[in-house]
Amino acid sequence: GQQVMQIPQYQHVQEGEDFTTYCNSSTTLSNIQWYKQRPGGHPVFLIQLVKSGEVKKQKRLTFQFGEAKKNSSLHITATQTTDVGTYFCARDQGAQKLVFGQGTRLTINP
Amino acid sequence: GAVVSQHPSRVICKSGTSVKIECRSLDFQATTMFWYRQFPKQSLMLMATSNEGSKATYEQGVEKDKFLINHASLTLSTLTVTSAHPEDSSFYICSARIPGTDPYEQYFGPGTRLTVT
Repeated sequence: GQQVMQIPQYQHVQEGEDFTTYCNSSTTLSNIQWYKQRPGGHPVFLIQLVKSGEVKKQKRLTFQFGEAKKNSSLHITATQTTDVGTYFCARDQGAQKLVFGQGTRLTINP
Repeated sequence: GAVVSQHPSRVICKSGTSVKIECRSLDFQATTMFWYRQFPKQSLMLMATSNEGSKATYEQGVEKDKFLINHASLTLSTLTVTSAHPEDSSFYICSARIPGTDPYEQYFGPGTRLTVT
């Protein structure tokens, strides 16, 4: 299946700063999912975006799906130390299979 | 929420031996489970789809004779790494989806860290 490209690979911020990770596909996506993996942990589902131009918020997290359904972003406002981890986007490959992006590893200086 | 468990959480084995990893869905039935491998600081790579009552389907480049998958019941899938070598050392994670739910989120097990010496 087609890969989803995710950038940046790493991001280090001061606590309180904002953070954004981007996910791009060369083909139109039926939907995009976002997961968070804490250090030493397993991925945990955050959200699924389906509609063109969709924007969803979860407290300080804002998720967007592009108008062309080829890109998506996750923005965290005023990061906290609990936000540390790797954030993955994942595309549906069909047959319930997910293809994960490379992930963006977020570290935070308290 | 739905829970997927894995056993063991960590295993160290000698080169040439086989290791079995169990994945269980604890409060739902999963006709399909997925096995991923994750190397340090890398993404999750789908290895295979485990299908209850039928053969697993493997992703390109994954040796089916080396990574044996058995989905004997609606709540249990096992992955056996046969004749393990140091390059098989990795974090193995299983996942499952609750049938008929939307969104189609996947629930991941806690993972099994395999070290082959």
